[in-house]
Amino acid sequence: NAGVTQTPKFRILKIGQSMTLQCTQDMNHNYMYWYRQDPGMGLKLIYYSVGAGITDKGEVPNGYNVSRSTTEDFPLRLELAAPSQTSVYFCASRATANTEAFFGQGTRLTVV
Amino acid sequence: GESVGLHLPTLSVQEGDNSIINCAYSNSASDYFIWYKQESGKGPQFIIDIRSNMDKRQGQRVTVLLNKTVKHLSLQIAATQPGDSAVYFCAEKDSSYKLIFGSGTRLLVRP
Repeated sequence: NAGVTQTPKFRILKIGQSMTLQCTQDMNHNYMYWYRQDPGMGLKLIYYSVGAGITDKGEVPNGYNVSRSTTEDFPLRLELAAPSQTSVYFCASRATANTEAFFGQGTRLTVV
Repeated sequence: GESVGLHLPTLSVQEGDNSIINCAYSNSASDYFIWYKQESGKGPQFIIDIRSNMDKRQGQRVTVLLNKTVKHLSLQIAATQPGDSAVYFCAEKDSSYKLIFGSGTRLLVRP
C-alpha cells in the first residue's frame, strides 16, 4: 500500500516554463488537496477536490490549475512559472470529510 | 537548505516536561480539527483529531482540547521526548470541505 505518491521529488524550472506535478493515491480516497509550503512557513491550500470531476479553489490558486479525471490522480499544472512559485508542494488525500489527511513526501520546486 | 519552521514561533521545553501548543482557528463554522507534526524534509504526519461536538480527546501521550467559545485548540504532549522536536500545525475543516492549516509552532526539546 503506497499511500500518496508525488512525482517528481525535485525540479528546477526556468521562468516562463510550465510543468505538471503528479499526485496519485491508492487508498480510494474521495478528497484530495494540493498545498504549497514556502521556506520556513506553514501550508497554504492551492486547490482541492471532493471527488472525480469536481475541483475547487483554495487560498492561493492563482498561477495553477488542476484536474480530477479519476479518483486516484490529482495533477497540479503550473503555467508560466514565476520565482514566486518556488516552494515545496504537498499533495494529500482523505477518505471522508471528517478523517485525517495523508500526505505525500512533497515536490521541491525551484523557479530560476 | 531551509528548515521547516524557521520563521515560526518556537516553544522550548525540557525533556520530560509537558508541552502545550496552542492554535487559534478562524472559522466558527469549522467542525473538525486535526493536529499534525512535521519533521524537516518530510510531509505532515497525523497526530490526533477532534470533532466539534467534543471538547477533549486523548491519545497516547497527547491530548487535544477544543474551546469553541473562543475558537481555540491546544495540543498537550506529556513527558516530552527529543523525538517530539518538530513543527506542529493545527488544521480546521470548514463547511466547504477545505482543510486549512494554521501557521504552526516549532517545538524544541532540550536534553
